[in-house]
Amino acid sequence: SQQGEEDPQALSIQEGENATMNCSYKTSINNLQWYRQNSGRGLVHLILIRSNEREKHSGRLRVTLDTSKKSSSLLITASRAADTASYFCATDPGAGSYQLTFGKGTKLSVIP
Amino acid sequence: GAVVSQHPSWVICKSGTSVKIECRSLDFQATTMFWYRQFPKQSLMLMATSNEGSKATYEQGVEKDKFLINHASLTLSTLTVTSAHPEDSSFYICSARAGTASLKQYFGPGTRLTVT
Repeated sequence: SQQGEEDPQALSIQEGENATMNCSYKTSINNLQWYRQNSGRGLVHLILIRSNEREKHSGRLRVTLDTSKKSSSLLITASRAADTASYFCATDPGAGSYQLTFGKGTKLSVIP
Repeated sequence: GAVVSQHPSWVICKSGTSVKIECRSLDFQATTMFWYRQFPKQSLMLMATSNEGSKATYEQGVEKDKFLINHASLTLSTLTVTSAHPEDSSFYICSARAGTASLKQYFGPGTRLTVT
């Protein structure tokens, strides 16, 4: 079942600007992951944040997690045209399940 | 890094025929593989979880007799869409976990199925 909800559904920014995408979920999680999908392609794993972590960085990516609000955000700094893609959050409930539940995604367009 | 391949990348078939999609982990052993379906402009929906050497676990609403999954080895899982209908047209994506200690899933590039 669909758990994560991303907002905005679509985001259009100029190259060089920062892009922020949010994700909310409903049940408890072991970790939350962010993925990127270029049009008609598979998913690329971006970053994983565990339930006991609050913030994580990877290059131009910054992810935050607030388990009390059941929400996460993905910030892409100094965006590039190549960042144009759909971004999905996915929650892992843990307890040996490893089944990911994906949100609806945010379609990001970075205008050169 | 861990690579997952899918074959074919796209397939067109006639209504009523069956189509097999392969998912392979190229440089690691995958004890667990997952199959997802993605309709245009929508998110991924988990169809089933496949463990090597055992029967797949299907999500609610997914017909196991229509979507046959076989995970015969640690590097190969197959999804067969039987008696395909136009409403089965979708993007099918597999993923694999690289070992029992890994939280990450590595995704294949997807297979575009069009049923005419």
